[in-house]
Amino acid sequence: KAGVTQTPRYLIKTRGQQVTLSCSPISGHRSVSWYQQTPGQGLQFLFEYFSETQRNKGNFPGRFSGRQFSNSRSEMNVSTLELGDSALYLCASSGNTGGQETQYFGPGTRLLVL
Amino acid sequence: SQQGEEDPQALSIQEGENATMNCSYKTSINNLQWYRQNSGRGLVHLILIRSNEREKHSGRLRVTLDTSKKSSSLLITASRAADTASYFCATEAYNTDKLIFGTGTRLQVFP
Repeated sequence: KAGVTQTPRYLIKTRGQQVTLSCSPISGHRSVSWYQQTPGQGLQFLFEYFSETQRNKGNFPGRFSGRQFSNSRSEMNVSTLELGDSALYLCASSGNTGGQETQYFGPGTRLLVL
Repeated sequence: SQQGEEDPQALSIQEGENATMNCSYKTSINNLQWYRQNSGRGLVHLILIRSNEREKHSGRLRVTLDTSKKSSSLLITASRAADTASYFCATEAYNTDKLIFGTGTRLQVFP
């Protein structure tokens, strides 16, 4: 099975712009989660989608949003970018509904905001 | 913050030695997982231990879980230079795929 893929791998934006990141889960997986990783805050949960519905949300401002499509692919959007949004954004997929499942991570999208 | 703590923050050892990393967390959990990350890349899943388990082995990895102390440890035996990476523990609550990660331990294994 192909792993989790994320596009693009690298991205440079300027403050005030918006960005959309994409994640394709492992075939058959229905749950997709997003995480932000920064040197200062570490790995932080953004949100989780299952069957096109947001199931969980982390403590991030409304500028961060996401969605999931019927084929389980997911996108996250960050509007009005700030310098502090520079981070590695990781997507993970898993197959089950209620935990006890390994989450498989993609390689991440490294976003740099100038 | 719900984030767990890992200890030590950094660890340097020689090849062949054992490496032990500890993780403490704050909330009740469904399971605890350990991940490895090489140089800011994606996370690789190493092992999952359920809340009703106390110890688990996978190859050179040994994980223990003490839910009364809300702590876990990861032991890597006979370490190799290729084990050089950052290691994170992550806890999962019930009925959710949300993972709460620890702060990570940076392991350096010298040949």
